[in-house]
Amino acid sequence: KNQVEQSPQSLIILEGKNCTLQCNYTVSPFSNLRWYKQDTGRGPVSLTIMTFSENTKSNGRYTATLDADTKQSSLHITASQLSDSASYICVVSAINFNKFYFGSGTKLNVKP
Amino acid sequence: GAVVSQHPSRVICKSGTSVKIECRSLDFQATTMFWYRQFPKQSLMLMATSNEGSKATYEQGVEKDKFLINHASLTLSTLTVTSAHPEDSSFYICSVGPGTDTQYFGPGTRLTVL
Repeated sequence: KNQVEQSPQSLIILEGKNCTLQCNYTVSPFSNLRWYKQDTGRGPVSLTIMTFSENTKSNGRYTATLDADTKQSSLHITASQLSDSASYICVVSAINFNKFYFGSGTKLNVKP
Repeated sequence: GAVVSQHPSRVICKSGTSVKIECRSLDFQATTMFWYRQFPKQSLMLMATSNEGSKATYEQGVEKDKFLINHASLTLSTLTVTSAHPEDSSFYICSVGPGTDTQYFGPGTRLTVL
């Protein structure tokens, strides 16, 4: 069964600290994995996209890693800011099926 | 990436009325659009795949007669919630997929049914 699991479900950190969010998947055949940021009351916005052959992808203070062998991905946020408070969603797509599998998201709260 | 808009951003309606939500692909001709529903503190749930010029494909458990989807052009898909009830109150989001591995989301529409 194709599934995407994210952890932790929620996270509270202090401004300026780093944090890492996890995503494990069982989607096959794997096409790519995206991390999205969703602010409250808004649609998701793409942060990174990674294909099978990519191990690391950065977007400013956001760095995603992918281990296709263990089917795990992480999103590392460096020097967190208050504006990083949002839900972060991991989405995995399967090849040729035009189908996307969503994780339940991690809700991050950055406190001053 | 593709720019996707939704209208309205918020709508409040009385129980029993119908509400239409528009999703526009502003810079890409989309043969396929997706409609999602998101309840508080939950992730997005795919409702249906909107196909230009043909019938939409609904996910299991989604009533096609209640959630009418029309994809009449390559840039516009509409979702009509018919005979809305309070349990239909949710955040509705559309997305455009230029390819089989890419999605761009609209800003969402908050529906509140009184």
